[in-house]
Amino acid sequence: AQSVSQHNHHVILSEAASLELGCNYSYGGTVNLFWYVQYPGQHLQLLLKYFSGDPLVKGIKGFEAEFIKSKFSFNLRKPSVQWSDTAEYFCAGAGTASKLTFGTGTRLQVTL
Amino acid sequence: DTGVSQNPRHKITKRGQNVTFRCDPISEHNRLYWYRQTLGQGPEFLTYFQNEAQLEKSRLLSDRFSAERPKGSFSTLEIQRTEQGDSAMYLCASSRGQGNSEAFFGQGTRLTVV
Repeated sequence: AQSVSQHNHHVILSEAASLELGCNYSYGGTVNLFWYVQYPGQHLQLLLKYFSGDPLVKGIKGFEAEFIKSKFSFNLRKPSVQWSDTAEYFCAGAGTASKLTFGTGTRLQVTL
Repeated sequence: DTGVSQNPRHKITKRGQNVTFRCDPISEHNRLYWYRQTLGQGPEFLTYFQNEAQLEKSRLLSDRFSAERPKGSFSTLEIQRTEQGDSAMYLCASSRGQGNSEAFFGQGTRLTVV
């Protein structure tokens, strides 16, 4: 069965701290991986995606993620977070039908 | 705004009533998805359409749930005889459906069953 797991449920960081959110996946066959962000009161927005090629992918707002096939991981990183990064972050995987399987999400709180 | 549009944004209904939600996808997208999200969880897949054909339904979609996309454009999700456990955010997403294409989400319809 396809599954995506996120181990950090709630993360609190000070502004300018570095961020790494964990994501592990379990898929049979080819998998496309995504990170979505949901700011308070807003809809899910795509941060970045991995389909193939360079395992280090860069997204919007300074976020990046690294696909490590041997570890079944796709962790999200940002060198220096801002207060405006406060949001919920979801890792998701999709097979050929583009149907997404989401992790449970990580709530990030950035303090000033 | 040319994003995915969902109506209504909020719906409060009494247990046992029927409710219907509408989703208007991005116009050139031929795939449309419905997801359900409860508090503290990620969205869970319910069903998806390729044009007007419903290609997959999750086991989460009981017989009380029905979705349609009659002309391959907008879609409706109906819940009959609502139960308190149906309270959730119902999300719609659309994608081009060609190869590796990303899904764009609407703002959702929050259903509260009292």
